[in-house]
Amino acid sequence: QLQLQESGSGLVKPSQTLSLTCAVSGGSISSGGYSWSWIRQPPGKGLEWIGYIYHSGSTYYNPSLKSRVTISVDRSKNQFSLKLSSVTAADTAVYYCARVLRSSYFDYWGQGTLVTVSS
Amino acid sequence: DIQMTQSPSSLSASVGDRVTITCRASQSISSYLNWYQQKPGKAPKLLIYAASSLQSGVPSRFSGSGSGTDFTLTISSLQPEDFATYYCQQSYSLFTFGPGTKVDIK
Repeated sequence: QLQLQESGSGLVKPSQTLSLTCAVSGGSISSGGYSWSWIRQPPGKGLEWIGYIYHSGSTYYNPSLKSRVTISVDRSKNQFSLKLSSVTAADTAVYYCARVLRSSYFDYWGQGTLVTVSS
Repeated sequence: DIQMTQSPSSLSASVGDRVTITCRASQSISSYLNWYQQKPGKAPKLLIYAASSLQSGVPSRFSGSGSGTDFTLTISSLQPEDFATYYCQQSYSLFTFGPGTKVDIK
């Protein structure tokens, strides 16, 4: 059974860079046909897609966040990561990692991790 | 960018009710539409993909229909565990989620 687990700093100061990692177990992140994505949800609000990375390494980002986002893969550790720069309070959210199937839908999700942006 | 809307934003229903949630895209997305269920404090769960395909393990009381710009999620007989928030998501051009529909107990 595939499992995803987010980890990283739960508190980030304004203007700094948010960094999260998603560890994948029960399957290889290098398996063809899958992509790996980050999605966030501000407290009490809806879901916002952040971006995703193909198994090939190609990346696609939400245009509204593109200038601040980097998603990368570490195949040796079977994990992928998110960096979001120049954060503000508006970036406070629960951040989820997820597997993307057929470049279309999210079939496995991590449990989510709350990141608060505050001085 | 493709925008997604959902209606209603919330609804109250009783166990056994038939519930229908509508999702509309700002342009045609063919059948690139998926539905998720989210309960408080939990990650979303995939229910329906490609507008009408039931994800493995999801009860058959859930169904999806539609194509182009208009889609529906139907719960044929609402069960106590179905009280949750439901989101649609398009994958025709990158990804966008709808704002959600909260289903609570009448």
